[in-house]
Amino acid sequence: DAKTTQPPSMDCAEGRAANLPCNHSTISGNEYVYWYRQIHSQGPQYIIHGLKNNETNEMASLIITEDRKSSTLILPHATLRDTAVYYCIVRVGEAGTALIFGKGTTLSVSS
Amino acid sequence: GAVVSQHPSRVICKSGTSVKIECRSLDFQATTMFWYRQFPKQSLMLMATSNEGSKATYEQGVEKDKFLINHASLTLSTLTVTSAHPEDSSFYICSARTQGAGRQPQHFGDGTRLSIL
Repeated sequence: DAKTTQPPSMDCAEGRAANLPCNHSTISGNEYVYWYRQIHSQGPQYIIHGLKNNETNEMASLIITEDRKSSTLILPHATLRDTAVYYCIVRVGEAGTALIFGKGTTLSVSS
Repeated sequence: GAVVSQHPSRVICKSGTSVKIECRSLDFQATTMFWYRQFPKQSLMLMATSNEGSKATYEQGVEKDKFLINHASLTLSTLTVTSAHPEDSSFYICSARTQGAGRQPQHFGDGTRLSIL
């Protein structure tokens, strides 16, 4: 699976949009981009995933560049409860292999 | 959405004790389950992958005789930490996915915090 690079930490004011970047320059054509988050002392929570088109759900939007070498997770109106570690993971979608977690980005939302 | 239940959520026990952690998929059949371990301020580390009805595949450096994994049914996998010692204290998290799910993500339990005194 391709490696991802994320900033170690980011800050965001409550109510503002949080834009979390992820670089995956070695991504292959059949690899998906997954985003999970982990709130302190809980298991990871699925947020969103995509292959090449932008995706949106009730939690967030995922913007993938045309060359697929990077992506951005957008939380449109961050709240204090969005404070967590956010993981960007690249994996072949049809494979049964496990998600491999990097260090992620610690997002701190403050009032 | 899919739910994975993990039990117990917290265990405190003496050194030398064996501890069993259960992971259940509540509303889907989990053909594959994964076990992770997470030390403080670190990321999740994959320990092993188990497929229903077959032996688990362990990651390099994980002792299979110490961390016994059983995946006897499509809804239950267990991790037994045998003769636990203080260095085994960690946050253990299970995850499940279903065959043919393709793009579907893995679903995670809420973890078990194991403290060995």
